Amino acid sequence: AQRVTQPEKLLSVFKGAPVELKCNYSYSGSPELFWYVQYSRQRLQLLLRHISRESIKGFTADLNKGETSFHLKKPFAQEEDSAMYYCALSPRGTGNQFYFGTGTSLTVIP
Amino acid sequence: DAGVTQSPTHLIKTRGQQVTLRCSPKSGHDTVSWYQQALGQGPQFIFQYYEEEERQRGNFPDRFSGHQFPNYSSELNVNALLLGDSALYLCASSPPGQYYEQYFGPGTRLTVT
Repeated sequence: AQRVTQPEKLLSVFKGAPVELKCNYSYSGSPELFWYVQYSRQRLQLLLRHISRESIKGFTADLNKGETSFHLKKPFAQEEDSAMYYCALSPRGTGNQFYFGTGTSLTVIP
Repeated sequence: DAGVTQSPTHLIKTRGQQVTLRCSPKSGHDTVSWYQQALGQGPQFIFQYYEEEERQRGNFPDRFSGHQFPNYSSELNVNALLLGDSALYLCASSPPGQYYEQYFGPGTRLTVT
């Protein structure tokens, strides 16, 4: 069965420090992985998709199939990065169903 | 474009009642997905509608049903409400051929007493 685990419910870092939000998944096939973000009083929105290999707002995420992880990283955290982050998995081929983790609330301390 | 809109914003129902939630997708989008988000949890996939048909369904009982109209708007119906159905219900729409590009609505907060 598919499962997405985000081990940290809360994460605090100082401005300018590196940040890493962890995501581990279990899925027997080949998944597509995503990170979604929800800023305060805003809607949930797509941050990045592993297959696009883009860097969005300075964030990157590498799919590690060996460790079944998709950690989100940024070298220098900014105050505006404070938000709720969700890792999500979509089984490749279905194109339709998403499994979300429980989310990590990131606070960047000025 | 107001993006994805949902109505109502909040509602309170009694156990055993039925409820209908509504969603209008972003302009140009043809696919609508529904999610249930309990407090402190991530969104859980309920089902997805495309071309007025249910294309995929998550692990939810038949009490949860939906509909998509020719203008791509969608409804989520929940029958025989349980206390455990209290949650934020999110609707997300996607443009043609880009299922991963989900645009979420603000959600409907359902409280079952």
